[in-house]
Amino acid sequence: AQSVTQPDIHITVSEGASLELRCNYSYGATPYLFWYVQSPGQGLQLLLKYFSGDTLVQGIKGFEAEFKRSQSSFNLRKPSVHWSDAAEYFCAVVLMEYGNKLVFGAGTILRVKS
Amino acid sequence: GAGVSQSPSNKVTEKGKDVELRCDPISGHTALYWYRQSLGQGLEFLIYFQGNSAPDKSGLPSDRFSAERTGGSVSTLTIQRTQQEDSAVYLCASSTSNRGTEAFFGQGTRLTVV
Repeated sequence: AQSVTQPDIHITVSEGASLELRCNYSYGATPYLFWYVQSPGQGLQLLLKYFSGDTLVQGIKGFEAEFKRSQSSFNLRKPSVHWSDAAEYFCAVVLMEYGNKLVFGAGTILRVKS
Repeated sequence: GAGVSQSPSNKVTEKGKDVELRCDPISGHTALYWYRQSLGQGLEFLIYFQGNSAPDKSGLPSDRFSAERTGGSVSTLTIQRTQQEDSAVYLCASSTSNRGTEAFFGQGTRLTVV
């Protein structure tokens, strides 16, 4: 079945440590790819997006993501996590074959320990 | 307004009653999405409107759920004969018609069915 997979439901990292959140998709064509963040009590905010071109994209708040076609992955990274990064992170894809429908993964909850 | 507006922000209803949730998208945005976010779950796609095209209703969980979008702007999600499992946060998002552009989210309506 076509899907967006975020295999990690929860991740805990120490403040200052590096972070990688995984996202895989299983669609035939390369979709448009997004990462959104939902902080406690807040709405969803776009971190970054990939359409084409350079496979390493930079986003807000020091986040970056790398598109790897061979692995159908779009993992989110940050070199040094801050306590304020504690939130839920969602990978999403726009399916051009389905008229631009935006589909989300199940999300990864990030906890930051001091 | 400047952003996506949803009303009410909170709604408590008795099982079996009908509810209407409203979404005011960003002016000029032709695409509008409804999602459901249950506790511990990701964002479940419900329905997608794109301009004058027929809406993509593939995510509506049952025939108790329906949505309309009047004049290409405001949208209403209606849940008939509410059940306790309908309790969730209902999120609305809008975007421009350009493929892969950012979707902007409202703050959501928290629905509690008692």
